[in-house]
Amino acid sequence: DAGVTQSPTHLIKTRGQQVTLRCSPKSGHDTVSWYQQALGQGPQFIFQYYEEEERQRGNFPDRFSGHQFPNYSSELNVNALLLGDSALYLCASTSGTGGVNEKLFFGSGTQLSVL
Amino acid sequence: GENVEQHPSTLSVQEGDSAVIKCTYSDSASNYFPWYKQELGKGPQLIIDIRSNVGEKKDQRIAVTLNKTAKHFSLHITETQPEDSAVYFCAASEASYDKVIFGPGTSLSVIP
Repeated sequence: DAGVTQSPTHLIKTRGQQVTLRCSPKSGHDTVSWYQQALGQGPQFIFQYYEEEERQRGNFPDRFSGHQFPNYSSELNVNALLLGDSALYLCASTSGTGGVNEKLFFGSGTQLSVL
Repeated sequence: GENVEQHPSTLSVQEGDSAVIKCTYSDSASNYFPWYKQELGKGPQLIIDIRSNVGEKKDQRIAVTLNKTAKHFSLHITETQPEDSAVYFCAASEASYDKVIFGPGTSLSVIP
């Protein structure tokens, strides 16, 4: 059973460019969340997708957008990249209906460097 | 909004000793408290979690305690091993499927 998979693993972009990151949730999960982790800090919540809709959003600007597909996979798009967007972007999945035994599982992340 | 604080930021212990990490949270609506271990180059891995209706939970060498009145929760690792060396994050959320607010992390080093 594959866990949460993310692609690409590393990416280098230039200021002002746009980037798309991809995520496939763990088998059986229908909810995908994205987190940004700056070096030496804890992950920060960007947004969550459930039933192809953005269900929750953290304190991130509109340059950050996302999408969820019918197969539950998801994309994170960042426009007009800034140097400060350099970070590890983590995807996490769970079941949207929760449940006592439901857990949040993370992928290994995409390391984005903006030059 | 929710804020999670975590102490200490770095912790060094001798192999076989115990390690304790303490966290506090601000939002009374938080009911779910997971702990994650992150090794270099990897994503956070859930190691144990506790819900607000439970005061303590143990899984082999790892235990968590929760004081909801004081908004404190702690991670205890006994008989530490070198492979326990990693960054540990405490976190809080309203539910397991909800957005998770992370603490700043504790870098644990276990010296052989």
